[in-house]
Amino acid sequence: SQKIEQNSEALNIQEGKTATLTCNYTNYSPAYLQWYRQDPGRGPVFLLLIRENEKEKRKKRLKVTFDTTLKQSLFHITASQPADSATYLCALDRGTGFQKLVFGTGTRLLVSP
Amino acid sequence: NAGVMQNPRHLVRRRGQEARLRCSPMKGHSHVYWYRQLPEEGLKFMVYLQKENIIDESGMPKERFSAEFPKEGPSILRIQQVVRGDSAAYFCASSLRTAAEYAEAFFGQGTRLTVV
Repeated sequence: SQKIEQNSEALNIQEGKTATLTCNYTNYSPAYLQWYRQDPGRGPVFLLLIRENEKEKRKKRLKVTFDTTLKQSLFHITASQPADSATYLCALDRGTGFQKLVFGTGTRLLVSP
Repeated sequence: NAGVMQNPRHLVRRRGQEARLRCSPMKGHSHVYWYRQLPEEGLKFMVYLQKENIIDESGMPKERFSAEFPKEGPSILRIQQVVRGDSAAYFCASSLRTAAEYAEAFFGQGTRLTVV
């Protein structure tokens, strides 16, 4: 069965450092991979999308890599800030033409001042 | 431009009652998706609707659950005869899909259903 794994343990880092979150998947061939941010009691907020034929995508302090051979995506936040503290969700899409996303359980990031 | 609006934000129902969750998509969006998030679990796709049509309901339980997106008004997710296991956060998302571009989905703040 399809499985998406994100580190269930919280990631604690110091302000200014780079946070790296991992998303691994099995039994799935996504056409797209997305990363979302979710704050407590709120809905997910879209951050970045990367296509299966792309290796890397950047947006300001965010960087996503996508390795379809390893079946893994890495999500980096550089120069992290306490305001980056949240849960980050990885979501896969087969590319059926609509947003039938398969989500991981998320990794909680805590950035200390 | 208001975002995706869901109401109510919190809903408490007794076992056996009906729950009605509403979702107004972003202006101009004609694609609506419902997801469910159980405690300590990831969001799970339930159903995808366009105006007056259910496109994919493969993630929705066959019994007690139904969804609609009428020509006028919000999308409704209806849960009949709720049970404790229905307690979860229900999120609605909408997108403006074009033929050429992959359209980002915008999520609402969710409705937290508690069945007592």
